[in-house]
Amino acid sequence: NAGVTQTPKFRILKIGQSMTLQCAQDMNHNYMYWYRQDPGMGLKLIYYSVGAGITDKGEVPNGYNVSRSTTEDFPLRLELAAPSQTSVYFCASLRDRASNQPQHFGDGTRLSIL
Amino acid sequence: ILNVEQSPQSLHVQEGDSTNFTCSFPSSNFYALHWYRWETAKSPEALFVMTLNGDEKKKGRISATLNTKEGYSYLYIKGSQPEDSATYLCAFRLGAGGTSYGKLTFGQGTILTVHP
Repeated sequence: NAGVTQTPKFRILKIGQSMTLQCAQDMNHNYMYWYRQDPGMGLKLIYYSVGAGITDKGEVPNGYNVSRSTTEDFPLRLELAAPSQTSVYFCASLRDRASNQPQHFGDGTRLSIL
Repeated sequence: ILNVEQSPQSLHVQEGDSTNFTCSFPSSNFYALHWYRWETAKSPEALFVMTLNGDEKKKGRISATLNTKEGYSYLYIKGSQPEDSATYLCAFRLGAGGTSYGKLTFGQGTILTVHP
């Protein structure tokens, strides 16, 4: 049981390039989330999805796009990379709305924009 | 924007010391308070999910308490060990329509370093 898998683990981009961060979960969780983690700032929610075909913006969505064509996959797209998007990106999933459930996290993607 | 604050930002202790840190969150529309432990280059690991005022939870040497009326939670580590070194994150879940779709608002974290 792999849980939440993120690829790649590390990436260096040039300003203006685009890329897609992949996230897949094999737990049949409906809810999925993308966060970015900046030093001293905690995790900030970028986008989330409550099921296939349904996505919505989080706290810091500018410069990112998402799609959710299947329950398993929730890719995050950077169209025009900017230095401000240098961060660690975490994908997480949640089984349902039950109050005693934690989110399950991937290992993160460390992205540098130069 | 919800305000979730953790203190202190960082903490250095000696092996064997007991320590505690604080998470403060809004006292209205409370649904749940999560604690996660995060080691660099690994995924955040869930420690506790707390839902009721007065909740106390324990996992080995780590325990947590919850006060929803005044909006704070304490995390305690008894007899700290070097392997406890990590960033400890708390996260607030708002009780709202759709129970906020499970969204969490994280504090900035407390970085704990335990020296041998």
